[in-house]
Amino acid sequence: DGGITQSPKYLFRKEGQNVTLSCEQNLNHDAMYWYRQDPGQGLRLIYYSQIVNDFQKGDIAEGYSVSREKKESFPLTVTSAQKNPTAFYLCASSLVPNRQPQHFGDGTRLSIL
Amino acid sequence: GQQLNQSPQSMFIQEGEDVSMNCTSSSIFNTWLWYKQDPGEGPVLLIALYKAGELTSNGRLTAQFGITRKDSFLNISASIPSDVGIYFCAGDSGGGADGLTFGKGTHLIIQP
Repeated sequence: DGGITQSPKYLFRKEGQNVTLSCEQNLNHDAMYWYRQDPGQGLRLIYYSQIVNDFQKGDIAEGYSVSREKKESFPLTVTSAQKNPTAFYLCASSLVPNRQPQHFGDGTRLSIL
Repeated sequence: GQQLNQSPQSMFIQEGEDVSMNCTSSSIFNTWLWYKQDPGEGPVLLIALYKAGELTSNGRLTAQFGITRKDSFLNISASIPSDVGIYFCAGDSGGGADGLTFGKGTHLIIQP
């Protein structure tokens, strides 16, 4: 079945450590997105990518980095510069940029040790 | 950035009741989407609306794209226990490939 796979489901980070969240899609979608979700809040955009080897900052990119070396993969690194990383992270994709709808993975919950 | 006001924030209803929630914006959107999220899961698309005035149904769910393009509502008829969850509206202004603007969600709780 086609879909978006995020891993791991749960992740723990120590102080000063970088961690990488995986997002893979087999939908042949061009555009991919990373969102952060905090309790009682809507989703906020971290980074997005319209095409391979291209990505743009979203509203809350500070302390995060991404890469898009392959169409199907869009990993997110939460760096030690992100002082409040505890959140639920959601990856999404859409067939082409600026076209809806976006479809979401099942998320990764990141916590601080 | 753009903001969406989604209301109500939470709803406590009896099984079998109808539900109505809405989103309003100060900006015009070209697309409205409604998602449902279960605890610990990603949002699942319920209905997508692409034209002002459009009224679309998906089973017991009905959503409308407001004529002004600044609002949308979602109705659920004859609620059942599996309708419990958080419902999000999202809008796309079409101004760039930079994702959606999300409301803060409506938490639906159903009492049997």
